[in-house]
Formats: sequence, C-alpha cells, structure tokens
Amino acid sequence: EVQLVESGGGLVQPGRSLRLSCTTSGFTFGDYAMGWVRQAPGKGLEWVGFIRSNAYGGTTEYAASVKGRFTISRDDSKSIAYLQMNSLKTEDTAVYYCTRVPGSYLFYFDYWGQGTLVTVSS
Amino acid sequence: DIQMTQSPSSLSASVGDRVTITCRASQGVSNSLAWYQQKPGKAPKLLLYAASRLESGVPSRFSGSGSGTDYTLTISSLQPEDFAIYYCQQYYTTLTTFGQGTKVEIK
Repeated sequence: EVQLVESGGGLVQPGRSLRLSCTTSGFTFGDYAMGWVRQAPGKGLEWVGFIRSNAYGGTTEYAASVKGRFTISRDDSKSIAYLQMNSLKTEDTAVYYCTRVPGSYLFYFDYWGQGTLVTVSS
Repeated sequence: DIQMTQSPSSLSASVGDRVTITCRASQGVSNSLAWYQQKPGKAPKLLLYAASRLESGVPSRFSGSGSGTDYTLTISSLQPEDFAIYYCQQYYTTLTTFGQGTKVEIK
C-alpha cells in the first residue's frame, strides 16, 4: 500500500525557517517524481513545487510564489522527500500536502499524504 | 501561467441527479487535465487524468471529457458520498495550476 506521511509542521514566526519531511512506503521511491501542494485555510489548492527522479536529473520546479525561498530535495536511500521553507511569510500559512507524481513528465498527483499544517504568525 | 476557471463555483443537487462541472483553461492544455475530489478535512483524491481516464478504483459514474480549453467532469448519478469539492488541474505546462474548486452540496 502506498503511503505518504508528512511531518515537521507547526507554528513559526515570519522570517524564520521550517523543514517538512515526507516519509513514504509501498513503492519504489527513486522511480518517481514527488511534489508539494498547499492549501491555505478555507482556500483552494496551490501547487508549490516538485522534484524529478534522479533518472531525470533530480531537478526541481517551483511556483513563483515560493521560488527562491523554498527548496525541495530527496533522499532516495530513506524514501523521504523534503520541503525546506525559508523566509516564511504569513501568507505561507497552509496545510502542506506531499504528493506522488505517477509519470516522469506528466505532473499530476496520484497519491497524497494527509497533510501537515504550517502556521506563520508572530 | 495557464489560468483554470471552474464553473459553477458551487451547486446544490439531489441524490441520483446528473451533475456536470466545467473547467476552462486560458489556453489549450491538450487533454493534460486531471480532476480531484476533496472531502472536508481530507486530502484530495485523484479521480481522472488525461481528461477522461478513470483512476483505478474510482466508480464508473465519474467521467470526463473535453479538448482544447474546455473540459467537463460528469457524475452520472450523484451518491451521498459524492458531496465534496472538486478541482481540475492542468499539467500541460511544468508550472501546473488548479481551478478554484466547485463545491457540490446537498439540495
């Protein structure tokens, strides 16, 4: 059974950093791209970014709203994806979902974690 | 970025009704279109991809169609468990985008 479990969320002050982890199981992690999608309270879905598999260079793409502040990485030996969030703003407050991308270049999301809440507030 | 506009934003329907939700892209997305269902407090669930391909395990009452800029999600006979918010997503471009969502409520 495919499982994605996010951790690392919490309350953080504006300007500070936070790192989210996505621990996976049930599939060969290294074969898949992984993505992050967020949802502000009461709002819709917003794509954050994704990281390709190492077979495709392990390269990353980011939404304009987080580019330069957020970094996605992966550890294939541990089957974990990370989202490093720096210079956090109040508008980054959201539930962050880890997602699996079923194809190497078709970036929709077939599995989602349960989400972790990040609250940016002073 | 490609903008995705869903209509309606919300609708009320009864069990057994046929429901159609529309998603319009600001430019053609060549059937690179997915639909998700989200229930309160839960993660979204993939329903369809490539505009019309049903994800494994999804009931056949869900179907998708469309081409170019205009796509639809149809629920042929609404069931109690289908009351939720539905989102479309284009993945034609690397910078993928979602529609704003359509809330399906009980009439």
